[in-house]
Amino acid sequence: AQSVTQLDSHVSVSEGTPVLLRCNYSSSYSPSLFWYVQHPNKGLQLLLKYTSAATLVKGINGFEAEFKKSETSFHLTKPSAHMSDAAEYFCVVSSGGNMLTFGGGTRLMVKP
Amino acid sequence: SAVISQKPSRDICQRGTSLTIQCQVDSQVTMMFWYRQQPGQSLTLIATANQGSEATYESGFVIDKFPISRPNLTFSTLTVSNMSPEDSSIYLCSVGRGSTYNEQFFGPGTRLTVL
Repeated sequence: AQSVTQLDSHVSVSEGTPVLLRCNYSSSYSPSLFWYVQHPNKGLQLLLKYTSAATLVKGINGFEAEFKKSETSFHLTKPSAHMSDAAEYFCVVSSGGNMLTFGGGTRLMVKP
Repeated sequence: SAVISQKPSRDICQRGTSLTIQCQVDSQVTMMFWYRQQPGQSLTLIATANQGSEATYESGFVIDKFPISRPNLTFSTLTVSNMSPEDSSIYLCSVGRGSTYNEQFFGPGTRLTVL
């Protein structure tokens, strides 16, 4: 069984300040973890993925995430938010197969 | 990554009718997936479609309501049958890559409104 909890449904930051989107997962096996971004009226884009290599994963657009097994977390961060980062973000887990389980999503708002 | 297109991009339909959504990929892929995203919600997997075999449906989804075709390695269709307003959602296809096909790339989605 696998599940994902995104701890915040909405996050609001000011442009230029750090971004933290929190994700906790539950998995019976060694998981693969992903972050996807969905801009309004657009499809999902893969930001980054963790597949049991380095625990700190760098993605596109300056985002990164750290896999912490002891905390069952995979939080997404970015040092400095940009207006174009405003979107919906999904944390996703996969445990040993091709089935993805999506978190509920976090809407990131960036204030000028 | 793969380039994935979907048709139509959006549609407004009357209840009781059916709509077929097409998903086209620019390269041959083994695994294709269909998801539903209800308004304001996350994504839920409807079914997995492998070329040459029957689609595998997730709990809560049945073939009579969501028949799927997978005639070749670059194309799939999802039909939403006998629609009701509760079927109003975004429907997305994806393709799987990697050893377990869990790295997935998504199409732009089809936004369906049922009146």
